[in-house]
Amino acid sequence: GIQVEQSPPDLILQEGANSTLRCNFSDSVNNLQWFHQNPWGQLINLFYIPSGTKQNGRLSATTVATERYSLLYISSSQTTDSGVYFCAVKQGAQKLVFGQGTRLTINP
Amino acid sequence: DGGITQSPKYLFRKEGQNVTLSCEQNLNHDAMYWYRQDPGQGLRLIYYSQIVNDFQKGDIAEGYSVSREKKESFPLTVTSAQKNPTAFYLCASRQGAGGELFFGEGSRLTVL
Repeated sequence: GIQVEQSPPDLILQEGANSTLRCNFSDSVNNLQWFHQNPWGQLINLFYIPSGTKQNGRLSATTVATERYSLLYISSSQTTDSGVYFCAVKQGAQKLVFGQGTRLTINP
Repeated sequence: DGGITQSPKYLFRKEGQNVTLSCEQNLNHDAMYWYRQDPGQGLRLIYYSQIVNDFQKGDIAEGYSVSREKKESFPLTVTSAQKNPTAFYLCASRQGAGGELFFGEGSRLTVL
């Protein structure tokens, strides 16, 4: 099956810093989502981005489907950005495959 | 408000007991999913259902069972055959094959 690799596995930054999270996938996909898992475990949808670039406030994402990667950018980090960021891709019908996540810690 | 409701949020059970986790959605989504998450890990698919009265096994279905008698409901039973049932369980739903996936708040099961 398709493999999804996220990097880095852990990232520790000071408040105000910018960060880039990467998601590589091993085969063509027709769906890609980024999620933020908060400290209580809830998964929050960030982007639905099978291709192209989207922006939402301090966050933006770019997916280059032909090169099999997606990037999540967080600018001017805040402590509330801490948590685990997951990339998930879809191949075939109805089955989303998750990466192992990037754990982001923003220190005040 | 539209959304996905999971209950209970926390559940403690003795080894050998079956447990049923509830998942209800009022988003009118066709497809529903159950995922399992272990500490420090990603999500793994247990079961999914594309339409009422139909469901398919995911990657780790052994020791679990589901039903889909109504469009809005997709309960998961963790049976005594599941060797390591302690985990965080997440329910999700989506409209159609290519739609965005939305999650409930999760149910944390601890087997003593």
